[in-house]
Amino acid sequence: EIVLTQSPASLSLSPGEGATLSCRASQSVRNSLAWYQQKPGQAPRLLIYDASKRATGIPARFSGSGSGTDFTLTISSLEPEDFAVYYCQQRTNWLYTFGQGTKLEIK
Amino acid sequence: QVQLVESGGGVVQPGRSLRLSCAASGFSFNTYAADWVRQAPGKGLEWVAFISYDGSNKYFADSVEGRFTISRDNSKNTVYLQMNSLRGEDTAVYYCARGESSTSPYSVYYGMDVWGQGTTVTVSS
Repeated sequence: EIVLTQSPASLSLSPGEGATLSCRASQSVRNSLAWYQQKPGQAPRLLIYDASKRATGIPARFSGSGSGTDFTLTISSLEPEDFAVYYCQQRTNWLYTFGQGTKLEIK
Repeated sequence: QVQLVESGGGVVQPGRSLRLSCAASGFSFNTYAADWVRQAPGKGLEWVAFISYDGSNKYFADSVEGRFTISRDNSKNTVYLQMNSLRGEDTAVYYCARGESSTSPYSVYYGMDVWGQGTTVTVSS
């Protein structure tokens, strides 16, 4: 099983600041990585697919990068609605795993 | 609009069974794969099971392999998760998610782009 490790576990920032979230895979997943945002009491929402492509309707302040084992989600300038938990997820041979999540909190 | 609606959750005793349903609308259900993802109280997301657009391929997480089965009825636009031999650690919100289109190249991972609101399963005596 491929393990995804996200860092940091939590991040405290102010609106307007930039955020960088990391996701490391235990073995190469090529570009088969997605990022999701989840707010309390809500289902996850797809932000980024195929490591770097924004999903439909996702603002341009969200960007993804990386390939192989190291991936990054960057939020260029935080809006109040961006404070949430973020998960990375990989697909390999139709098996999937999620990272443990990064909680982005308001400072 | 594009929508997934889960149902069938509830409280069940350990060792018993439960079947969850996920009804799709607003898109060509029979051309998309489907997944079940769960989230235990206060925990992260855990992928549970996958079924291809035509039901010919099915995959499961190790934690549920041999206890859970996944199926779909494309005539009813519905995917099911049959959960047997339930354990306390199966307690979670279960989400249905739309997987990739049958026309998508495998070389591009499109993610799970539509999610239901979730249904809660509690395993307790």
